[in-house]
Amino acid sequence: ETGVTQSPTHLIKTRGQQVTLRCSSQSGHNTVSWYQQALGQGPQFIFQYYREEENGRGNFPPRFSGLQFPNYSSELNVNALELDDSALYLCASSLGAGQETQYFGPGTRLLVL
Amino acid sequence: AQSVAQPEDQVNVAEGNPLTVKCTYSVSGNPYLFWYVQYPNRGLQFLLKYITGDNLVKGSYGFEAEFNKSQTSFHLKKPSALVSDSALYFCAVSPIKAAGNKLTFGGGTRVLVKP
Repeated sequence: ETGVTQSPTHLIKTRGQQVTLRCSSQSGHNTVSWYQQALGQGPQFIFQYYREEENGRGNFPPRFSGLQFPNYSSELNVNALELDDSALYLCASSLGAGQETQYFGPGTRLLVL
Repeated sequence: AQSVAQPEDQVNVAEGNPLTVKCTYSVSGNPYLFWYVQYPNRGLQFLLKYITGDNLVKGSYGFEAEFNKSQTSFHLKKPSALVSDSALYFCAVSPIKAAGNKLTFGGGTRVLVKP
């Protein structure tokens, strides 16, 4: 069974650019959640996708957007990058959108200069 | 709104001694509670969760946690710590509701187990 994978592992962008991060969910999982973890802090919920539909969103501006594909993999897109967007972006997948455990990928570390 | 507090930024313990990492939460209604561990440059690894039932939950790597509804706490414990338990530990809460299992995390507690 393959776990959650994310790509790329590291990324450097400049302010104002756009970035796309990718996540492949664990086999059989239909729900993907994205989190932002700033240095020295706990992860913050960005949004969740359940069966290709957005199923909840945290306190992040609209320039953070996402997508889930029919195979349940997902993308996180961030437009107009700001310095404060520098963080570890974590993807988690689960069997459903209820009390199922979320399993996390290794993350993508984004640095915005 | 839900929230999680981990009052200790760091816990130091000698190898072989008991380890406790504290967590308190605030949520409307009954919660789902989780503990995750993060090693350097890695994602979060699931340790255990409380959904309902027995207040003492056993998880991976010898960890357990006790749910206390009256004190709104969910402390993580391990009877005998190992040096390899040194890592960053996160408590998280999710409200029981019809749709969505958004996790709200605490700020994390760094555990250092000394030989």
